[in-house]
Amino acid sequence: DQQVKQNSPSLSVQEGRISILNCDYTNSMFDYFLWYKKYPAEGPTFLISISSIKDKNEDGRFTVFLNKSAKHLSLHIVPSQPGDSAVYFCAASADDYKLSFGAGTTVTVRA
Amino acid sequence: DTAVSQTPKYLVTQMGNDKSIKCEQNLGHDTMYWYKQDSKKFLKIMFSYNNKELIINETVPNRFSPKSPDKAHLNLHINSLELGDSAVYFCASSPQGRGELFFGEGSRLTVL
Repeated sequence: DQQVKQNSPSLSVQEGRISILNCDYTNSMFDYFLWYKKYPAEGPTFLISISSIKDKNEDGRFTVFLNKSAKHLSLHIVPSQPGDSAVYFCAASADDYKLSFGAGTTVTVRA
Repeated sequence: DTAVSQTPKYLVTQMGNDKSIKCEQNLGHDTMYWYKQDSKKFLKIMFSYNNKELIINETVPNRFSPKSPDKAHLNLHINSLELGDSAVYFCASSPQGRGELFFGEGSRLTVL
């Protein structure tokens, strides 16, 4: 039973434009959300997180938005750069010691 | 100096064999994890350890046996390997049980 869903397996965006990645979740007990970035043959690396008490968190070019009523979060990357081409995983936590991940969205930034 | 290191990075073996994957972290974290990424690309929690104690066993078959000799190491031993065990296994650590996880590079296991 997949509790975190990333329904878009891929996204192609032109360099300099905005990338918007979406994530939906079903478990209303989730209270902490994270985005990870993964390059081929490497492990995922932490990008940005948000607690359920907030609806927005910003870190440089990356902003995460949380809509608790819709059980939806999104990651905005502005402006997109070639180095942003990677797989992005959405993750959520309700309990200690466990993160539930989505299947990932592959982002390709075109020059 | 790699923060979370796993060995081996690639492992090809026959069905029925037993194999181990080792993981070490030099971040001083209390909590370590094993995640499995299957062919559908989902990252699924297998085990969580906190200070060498098992916290989560996510209905993993008994053929999988984690061992934490100290809080910097979490090894994964797999008995009687099956075709469905083919996957990438990621080790991770975190300062506590919540928040950011630091992942190793992954170990790709192929069972023939």
